Amino acid sequence: DIQMTQSPSSLSASVGDRVTITCQATQNIGVYLNWYRQKPGKAPDLLIYDASNLETGVPLRFSGSGSGTHFTFTITSLQPEDIATYYCQQYDNLPTFGGGTKVQI
Amino acid sequence: QVQLQESGPGLVKPSQTLSLTCTVSGDSISSDDFFWNWIRQPAGKGPEWIGHIYASGTTNYNPSLKSRVTISKDTSKNRFSLELHSVTAADTAVYYCARGLASGYDWANWFDPWGQGTLVTVSS
Repeated sequence: DIQMTQSPSSLSASVGDRVTITCQATQNIGVYLNWYRQKPGKAPDLLIYDASNLETGVPLRFSGSGSGTHFTFTITSLQPEDIATYYCQQYDNLPTFGGGTKVQI
Repeated sequence: QVQLQESGPGLVKPSQTLSLTCTVSGDSISSDDFFWNWIRQPAGKGPEWIGHIYASGTTNYNPSLKSRVTISKDTSKNRFSLELHSVTAADTAVYYCARGLASGYDWANWFDPWGQGTLVTVSS
């Protein structure tokens, strides 16, 4: 299986801050990488697919980049409603998820 | 819009079979465009893909669970089901069903939407 490592595992930032999360794959996955947000007690929501494509209806402050083994997820201006745990997921091989990054204010 | 809803017992005894059903509304599980997936998430951990079923009835399972998993579907009721046999405490998790885009690979590109999830605890 392809292992996905996210960092940091948690972070604390202020409203309006730029937040960056990284995801590292154990082998080349091209752009077969998605990002999800999971609010407490809820199911994950798809935010970004194929590394950099914003899902319909997702605010423009969210973005993704990268290819190969290294990927980045960015919130350009953190909002209170962005409190959640964020996960990356690859599908180059059978789907696997990262361990998550908990974002707090 | 598409909605998925899990149902089933919240408590299962060790060595027994966990059985869950996912009822789909707003889309047909007979659609060729999607896989219908089961995913689980132990407390404090990332999700784990369990497997899926396709419109044709073809299934694909995570090799780590393959020997214990069966996914089936009831097209007439637009729902699909999960059976996980010989459960242990390590199978305690929130179980989700999710629709996954089918684009010619052996598994979904991504998962959207998800059901709300159901907590299954394995304990005597």
